[in-house]
Amino acid sequence: SQQGEEDPQALSIQEGENATMNCSYKTSINNLQWYRQNSGRGLVHLILIRSNEREKHSGRLRVTLDTSKKSSSLLITASRAADTASYFCATDSISSGSARQLTFGSGTQLTVLP
Amino acid sequence: DTGVSQDPRHKITKRGQNVTFRCDPISEHNRLYWYRQTLGQGPEFLTYFQNEAQLEKSRLLSDRFSAERPKGSFSTLEIQRTEQGDSAMYLCASSFTQKDTQYFGPGTRLTVL
Repeated sequence: SQQGEEDPQALSIQEGENATMNCSYKTSINNLQWYRQNSGRGLVHLILIRSNEREKHSGRLRVTLDTSKKSSSLLITASRAADTASYFCATDSISSGSARQLTFGSGTQLTVLP
Repeated sequence: DTGVSQDPRHKITKRGQNVTFRCDPISEHNRLYWYRQTLGQGPEFLTYFQNEAQLEKSRLLSDRFSAERPKGSFSTLEIQRTEQGDSAMYLCASSFTQKDTQYFGPGTRLTVL
């Protein structure tokens, strides 16, 4: 089952603009991660934010986490055409076993127009 | 390139045939995960290994699916008597510890005709 839900499902912006994607989830988490996936490719890890953190930066990426609202946002500043991809949030959950399986949302398709 | 490799990258098969995929994780990672991703959706967890032990299986993993990691290094995922609904991207990921980032391979895209 998909725990996270990204919003919007699709986003189209001009190069140089900022892109903001949101993620909502349902259960308590240990951390939340954002991944990028180019069409037909595997997932590339972008950033991890732990449940006790509120904001994290990595290059042009800024992630916020609001555990009271069970939501996170990913901001990409000064977007480039190469940022065109699908972006997924993923939360980890401790299942009945010991696995830290990731539960993904359905993703936001970002298109950056040159 | 994350360091996780999968083979083959693409597989086309006829319904009813068996298929086997291979995943080579990052060498020092003792945790290995399999996920399945259908078009327009995020990946869904299938199963997990810690070293050679398969510790958890999702309800998505029907009895036609079997996964192994015999020596705690590479892993194989076999699907027997494939069905058209098995068509998907099968992704493998590995991590060093339970709390670490999972690094994904490029995936194997399966098409069942």
